[in-house]
Amino acid sequence: NAGVTQTPKFQVLKTGQSMTLQCAQDMNHNSMYWYRQDPGMGLRLIYYSASEGTTDKGEVPNGYNVSRLNKREFSLRLESAAPSQTSVYFCASSELTGYSNQPQHFGDGTRLSIL
Amino acid sequence: QKEVEQDPGPLSVPEGAIVSLNCTYSNSAFQYFMWYRQYSRKGPELLMYTYSSGNKEDGRFTAQVDKSSKYISLFIRDSQPSDSATYLCAMTGGSSASKIIFGSGTRLSIRP
Repeated sequence: NAGVTQTPKFQVLKTGQSMTLQCAQDMNHNSMYWYRQDPGMGLRLIYYSASEGTTDKGEVPNGYNVSRLNKREFSLRLESAAPSQTSVYFCASSELTGYSNQPQHFGDGTRLSIL
Repeated sequence: QKEVEQDPGPLSVPEGAIVSLNCTYSNSAFQYFMWYRQYSRKGPELLMYTYSSGNKEDGRFTAQVDKSSKYISLFIRDSQPSDSATYLCAMTGGSSASKIIFGSGTRLSIRP
């Protein structure tokens, strides 16, 4: 019963490098999300996908791209990493029903440092 | 002004005490209210989920929503050292129905 799985767990990059964070869920959820968590800032939504084939910007999308590969997988790409993107990144999923979201289920995060 | 405000703490209480954690919000359209617990180096996990106003109890945890005051609370009875974590409130509804808005979290420490 894995829930939401994120890879890698840790990564160190140099400024300007690119990388993709991977996320997969096995709960057959429709909606998936990417957040970043910084001290004192709480969870900030980067991008979300309400269903397979759709993606939308969240609060802090600049510098990121996403791909909803299929219902299970939602990846986050940093094309040219910057030190300001040093953060802990969380992927989450939920079942979207009507006008409300069911609570979100989170992975354990990817700790990313940009030097 | 943030849509959801939460005191960051830290809050330190002795084992066995009753803990009260709170959030205020500005969007009267919010209808669904959640509390998450986050241990160090882990993702948030859902503790409580309530709809509209009222109380909900689950073991040592009670969630309370007062929509008239735009104020939600989480009470922890007989607190244990294992309750030491960061607690995040979250809510959704209205124009934000497709997204959950999180508070910044309160760091709680239970002293043995």
